Amino acid sequence: RKEVEQDPGPFNVPEGATVAFNCTYSNSASQSFFWYRQDCRKEPKLLMSVYSSGNEDGRFTAQLNRASQYISLLIRDSKLSDSATYLCVVNIRGDTGRRALTFGSGTRLQVQP
Amino acid sequence: DGGITQSPKYLFRKEGQNVTLSCEQNLNHDAMYWYRQDPGQGLRLIYYSQIVNDFQKGDIAEGYSVSREKKESFPLTVTSAQKNPTAFYLCASSIFRLAANSYNEQFFGPGTRLTVL
Repeated sequence: RKEVEQDPGPFNVPEGATVAFNCTYSNSASQSFFWYRQDCRKEPKLLMSVYSSGNEDGRFTAQLNRASQYISLLIRDSKLSDSATYLCVVNIRGDTGRRALTFGSGTRLQVQP
Repeated sequence: DGGITQSPKYLFRKEGQNVTLSCEQNLNHDAMYWYRQDPGQGLRLIYYSQIVNDFQKGDIAEGYSVSREKKESFPLTVTSAQKNPTAFYLCASSIFRLAANSYNEQFFGPGTRLTVL
């Protein structure tokens, strides 16, 4: 099982639609969760942190489900500019004890006019 | 402006040559990281450093080397031992928390695209 797993997509949705992505993680002890956005051939940029109580930033809502070990990202009223790859990021401390974040492979979103 | 810079943006090298990628940050972050991204793939951790003069291997360190002589700088050398070096290389930095299992978000530089001919 991958440490951080995402559906690669692509998710093709019309403008104005609501779309949701899930991401599962392997380590039940993980404490830090983030969503990043990556545009084609660019660096990832932080979209939002994910808190235990869930959090919202404008059209974006992130949720954490510890019991099922997944986080979700909901995008309401999709815009053309939302087209990108969304990366799920979790701290996974492996056997080596390394202190770093683990990135999922990303879910690609294509918003169509 | 505070941020992370990487140079060059594009780099072409012949097979068998070592090459060094630059990464500089003026965010006063303690921790710095190097990742590799291949087309359609996620980011894989090469090396990371939590403090000056100390660094740790990530998941794919073979064929790479780093140094951390200054807080602001974390150069990556891709050696001839790296079997498939053509990739997009990303440097990141973050505030480093000592609290167990507590991680801050990372901020990325614009990346360097390395092509080995």
